[in-house]
Amino acid sequence: SQELEQSPQSLIVQEGKNLTINCTSSKTLYGLYWYKQKYGEGLIFLMMLQKGGEEKSHEKITAKLDEKKQQSSLHITASQPSHAGIYLCGAPTGRRALTFGSGTRLQVQP
Amino acid sequence: KAGVTQTPRYLIKTRGQQVTLSCSPISGHRSVSWYQQTPGQGLQFLFEYFSETQRNKGNFPGRFSGRQFSNSRSEMNVSTLELGDSALYLCASSLGVPTDTQYFGPGTRLTVL
Repeated sequence: SQELEQSPQSLIVQEGKNLTINCTSSKTLYGLYWYKQKYGEGLIFLMMLQKGGEEKSHEKITAKLDEKKQQSSLHITASQPSHAGIYLCGAPTGRRALTFGSGTRLQVQP
Repeated sequence: KAGVTQTPRYLIKTRGQQVTLSCSPISGHRSVSWYQQTPGQGLQFLFEYFSETQRNKGNFPGRFSGRQFSNSRSEMNVSTLELGDSALYLCASSLGVPTDTQYFGPGTRLTVL
């Protein structure tokens, strides 16, 4: 079965700083989703990556899927308190099934 | 478009009881997937329904079941509740085509006492 490992597990940054979250898969990735979750709430879709080398950006968040397709990174530029939450990567592992990493908890201090 | 809705948002039950959770997908979406989220196991896939048929199932006991109606609304049922079933249950809807995106609802927080 496929496993996703996220690092770091927790991150505290000062407002305005850049940060990167990594997601490493035990198998080749045939797609990778990034979601954000506020504690105890639903997941908010951020981005989907499908091809090795693909890079997508939305506002101050950029996600990449590496060429060998076993790792993805999520980079936030000039972090804001609104970026705080839990970031989850998910990989498709069957029909409509996603396997998720354990999440990275981000705190942004004003 | 309205997002995915789940009812109820919070639920408290006792061991041995059964519970039914409801999910209304985004209009036009025909696929509904269910997930369980716990601090220990994280987010785990339960099952997926498309056009009233279960197409995929995760590694959960038979106490967990679901169904989908002709309007794509879905319910999941847990019978003979155990303390370990306490979790956030999330449903996600999608068009049901390859590589589409799953959009999640706010979840139902189930507490089993």
